[in-house]
Amino acid sequence: EPEVTQTPSHQVTQMGQEVILRCVPISNHLYFYWYRQILGQKVEFLVSFYNNEISEKSEIFDDQFSVERPDGSNFTLKIRSTKLEDSAMYFCASSLSAAVKPQHFGDGTRLSIL
Amino acid sequence: QQQVKQSPQSLIVQKGGISIINCAYENTAFDYFPWYQQFPGKGPALLIAIRPDVSEKKEGRFTISFNKSAKQFSLHIMDSQPGDSATYFCAANTEYGNKLVFGAGTILRVKS
Repeated sequence: EPEVTQTPSHQVTQMGQEVILRCVPISNHLYFYWYRQILGQKVEFLVSFYNNEISEKSEIFDDQFSVERPDGSNFTLKIRSTKLEDSAMYFCASSLSAAVKPQHFGDGTRLSIL
Repeated sequence: QQQVKQSPQSLIVQKGGISIINCAYENTAFDYFPWYQQFPGKGPALLIAIRPDVSEKKEGRFTISFNKSAKQFSLHIMDSQPGDSATYFCAANTEYGNKLVFGAGTILRVKS
């Protein structure tokens, strides 16, 4: 069964450094998403991406965050200058379309900011 | 209004019993309600989903009951097994919306 893959599984970064989280969505999916889960809390929406542009973003997704689809398979989340509170699990998801709902999630990248 | 409220926070059920998790929402524009199962160290995995034009959907041991007038929906796990021990999240989305709004999660433990 096709799946969303994320790398790395764990990223440790010094505060203030830039970090890039990578995702390979399911190949025929057109919508891509990033979510965040702080330890012990709910999964929170960050951003959705379609047709090479952001279609929706949350209040969390401020100017420190950016997303990109650099080629036909990868989808990345960049945090420009990391803060301690950015420590969380980051999940990538993809769906066939906005109308065809099921969003399929990867296993996440655990981001630890020191 | 964008919130989805989930209860209970945790649940312990004996093997073979029924696990019931409840969610409530306010936004009447929500029209897609999935349940996700999450094991430690893994991402949320879609379990079952429902749209408000039906009151119940069943897939194997998992059933979603939906009450549109009360704006509530619930997950029932019949014949609960130790392998069902996981965190369960309800969520909601609008028809052409991009974001899933998640509940706070329920940690289910099935005792053998």
